[in-house]
Amino acid sequence: DGGITQSPKYLFRKEGQNVTLSCEQNLNHDAMYWYRQDPGQGLRLIYYSQIVNDFQKGDIAEGYSVSREKKESFPLTVTSAQKNPTAFYLCASTHVGGGSYGYTFGSGTRLTVV
Amino acid sequence: AQSVTQLDSQVPVFEEAPVELRCNYSSSVSVYLFWYVQYPNQGLQLLLKYLSGSTLVESINGFEAEFNKSQTSFHLRKPSVHISDTAEYFCAVSDVGYSTLTFGKGTMLLVSP
Repeated sequence: DGGITQSPKYLFRKEGQNVTLSCEQNLNHDAMYWYRQDPGQGLRLIYYSQIVNDFQKGDIAEGYSVSREKKESFPLTVTSAQKNPTAFYLCASTHVGGGSYGYTFGSGTRLTVV
Repeated sequence: AQSVTQLDSQVPVFEEAPVELRCNYSSSVSVYLFWYVQYPNQGLQLLLKYLSGSTLVESINGFEAEFNKSQTSFHLRKPSVHISDTAEYFCAVSDVGYSTLTFGKGTMLLVSP
């Protein structure tokens, strides 16, 4: 079955460490998105990409980086510059254009700083 | 620019009671509207969507939402809730012809016995 897979489900980071969250989809979607979710703050867009080798900053891109070398994959790196990285991270994907599809979401990665 | 307002951050309700989760949007063009549900520690799942045609749309688990263009609203309703409906619900909008969604901040539905 087609879907979008995020791994790992839980991730622990030490202070000063970079960590990478994986997002893979087999839906043949062009666009992929990364959101951060904190209690009571809804979904905040970090980065998005609508085509391979191109991506755009969202509302809270500072301290994060992404790459889009393959259509299926959109990994997110949380760098040491992100001062408060503890949160639930969601990846989503959709077809470009039209707008009627909505997003398909992964099951999320919970990142905790220890 | 688009925006979505979910008027209630939390809605407590007793089991078998009716519920309405409110959603208002602003956009200068035609829109598509969506409701998503998120259970604890999971991703968002599409509950229902309005694209065109009948303004009343239904989900398979008894929720319905009505598109009201004049009031720019897309409220979600269920006539009788179950404990298992406890979750966070997100309203979202996209402009017709564009794939990017704008989300509301979510409404936590708390169903108690």
